[in-house]
Amino acid sequence: AQKITQTQPGMFVQEKEAVTLDCTYDTSDQSYGLFWYKQPSSGEMIFLIYQGSYDEQNATEGRYSLNFQKARKSANLVISASQLGDSAMYFCAMKDSSYKLIFGSGTRLLVRP
Amino acid sequence: GAVVSQHPSRVICKSGTSVKIECRSLDFQATTMFWYRQFPKQSLMLMATSNEGSKATYEQGVEKDKFLINHASLTLSTLTVTSAHPEDSSFYICSASWTLGAYNEQFFGPGTRLTVL
Repeated sequence: AQKITQTQPGMFVQEKEAVTLDCTYDTSDQSYGLFWYKQPSSGEMIFLIYQGSYDEQNATEGRYSLNFQKARKSANLVISASQLGDSAMYFCAMKDSSYKLIFGSGTRLLVRP
Repeated sequence: GAVVSQHPSRVICKSGTSVKIECRSLDFQATTMFWYRQFPKQSLMLMATSNEGSKATYEQGVEKDKFLINHASLTLSTLTVTSAHPEDSSFYICSASWTLGAYNEQFFGPGTRLTVL
């Protein structure tokens, strides 16, 4: 069965600094996708970045990058140059052959001015 | 980008009544739609998967008779919470995908906050 684990319930980062949000996953499938979403207080789910299991290079989208370590089954999100607007809940998610997008428990990030 | 809408965004109802939530894909045809429930300070939990024209597949522990899902067209899925009770109060979010696949992004609606008095 697929499983996503986020061990950091809350994180603080100083504005303009980088922060890493941890995510580990478990699946028996060889083909799967890993996603990160941001959820501000309004509740909407904002897609940030995606990594496919066969992608050899780490995904990057602007200030977001995904540190994909397949052997360790980790898919950490790195946010560079944090901004106050980055304060939100962040969810790691995975989709495998079941085609269901399953979420981790989330990490609440607070950016300090 | 692909847009998914939900209506209503917020609903308050009395215990025992039924509430219908609509999820629409505005600029693409969604062969599959997913319904999630999120309790305060918790993660999104998948409730069910619905494919256009067929019965929804419910996750373990989700009462299919209580949460009725209809996916009558490629752009509309509805979730009806029947005989709602205070414990059904939650944030309900739908997502839509134009095709199944591990690599395919799902597009989320803005969510519906249900409060049952």
